[in-house]
Amino acid sequence: DTGVSQDPRHKITKRGQNVTFRCDPISEHNRLYWYRQTLGQGPEFLTYFQNEAQLEKSRLLSDRFSAERPKGSFSTLEIQRTEQGDSAMYLCASSLFDEQYFGPGTRLTVT
Amino acid sequence: GENVEQHPSTLSVQEGDSAVIKCTYSDSASNYFPWYKQELGKRPQLIIDIRSNVGEKKDQRIAVTLNKTAKHFSLHITETQPEDSAVYFCAANGGYQKVTFGTGTKLQVIP
Repeated sequence: DTGVSQDPRHKITKRGQNVTFRCDPISEHNRLYWYRQTLGQGPEFLTYFQNEAQLEKSRLLSDRFSAERPKGSFSTLEIQRTEQGDSAMYLCASSLFDEQYFGPGTRLTVT
Repeated sequence: GENVEQHPSTLSVQEGDSAVIKCTYSDSASNYFPWYKQELGKRPQLIIDIRSNVGEKKDQRIAVTLNKTAKHFSLHITETQPEDSAVYFCAANGGYQKVTFGTGTKLQVIP
């Protein structure tokens, strides 16, 4: 499969724990995006990378969230001190130009 | 920032009929407008997009129209089939790479 991949697909964690998700974009895509999607809503932008540079972060992204793309290939999204409100689907997308292609997502459940 | 409104939130049509979903955007700098289809439990899939230098684009049974003056764009699906049943999201880019999504339209095609 040469599409965007994400790992893990599901994560259940207790409130207060830290979690980290990984995204592997389509190989030739230099742009990578993270979104959060809750039930019945559209994807909500979190952050965007061009190569290894993080160019934009949503004002909604609290200090507990951090994302990296150290070598301009895969990216990680870490959530520290998880809260129940963090429960959502975390989607990654990549693009070469405007067209963004999404991964299958990581579903996070905070208990 | 960009604000995208989408209507209707739900739409039921008989198989073979047409379906129309409408969106408005707020930021006149937006120049890229993608549409995504999301089936239950699946990733959003890009089905068609339009750029601000054209007014209409077609791809088989799917067409998108754009009215820049009114800041409206619409998705038209003709000859609907049961496999068209899904949630459809419009989006606009606000002139940057950050894409803002609408709240989605759940389309049900009744056989």
